[in-house]
Amino acid sequence: QVQLVQSGSELKKPGASVKVSCKASGYTFTSYAMNWVRQAPGQGLEWMGWINTNTGNPTYAQGFTGRFVFSLDTSVSTAYLQISSLKAEDTAVYYCARGDGNYWGQGTLVTVSS
Amino acid sequence: QSALTQPASVSGSPGQSITISCTGTSSDVGGYNYVSWYQQHPGKAPKLMIYEVSNRPSGVSNRFSGSKSGNTASLTISGLQAEDEADYYCSSYTSSSTLGVFGGGTKLTVL
Repeated sequence: QVQLVQSGSELKKPGASVKVSCKASGYTFTSYAMNWVRQAPGQGLEWMGWINTNTGNPTYAQGFTGRFVFSLDTSVSTAYLQISSLKAEDTAVYYCARGDGNYWGQGTLVTVSS
Repeated sequence: QSALTQPASVSGSPGQSITISCTGTSSDVGGYNYVSWYQQHPGKAPKLMIYEVSNRPSGVSNRFSGSKSGNTASLTISGLQAEDEADYYCSSYTSSSTLGVFGGGTKLTVL
């Protein structure tokens, strides 16, 4: 069955970096794009962008340029989200979702606190 | 990019029907038949309920239906059940470079 399994919760200090992984199984990884979605505590879903799993070309939404990087390792069917220079306002649950929206990871809570 | 506009909350009694609206522009909702609806229970990942305006993924109850008129999409839930109580989000393809946008979310309360 199709699954997206994300890495575990992270606690980071301001200014640090974090890398969230999203391992896909049960389908051909390169057949669907991978989307990234952020949900701050008590807030709604926010579209971060997506990555073309064939070409590796990322597209970032407004507000997610510069410190946010989407990447892939197709050899292990895994997508990554790296956030650098972390700020308190980056505290959120980050989701990966298959390009058709039908399958989502369980979410990764990133907490940024000194 | 601006989020799509949804009511903050709606409510209904068991067995009733409710409709949640999602208003965008001709650059997103009105311009393409790529509107999706997601259900999210507290602490859980979103679940796809409707895609491409009115299609239900396998396993989703036929009590859930979607439609669109102009720049506004709608999700209707008929025969409300207690387990329908959740947050609902619309999303749409957009002609902006990001290709995707969400609504602000609607909290459904089953009275």
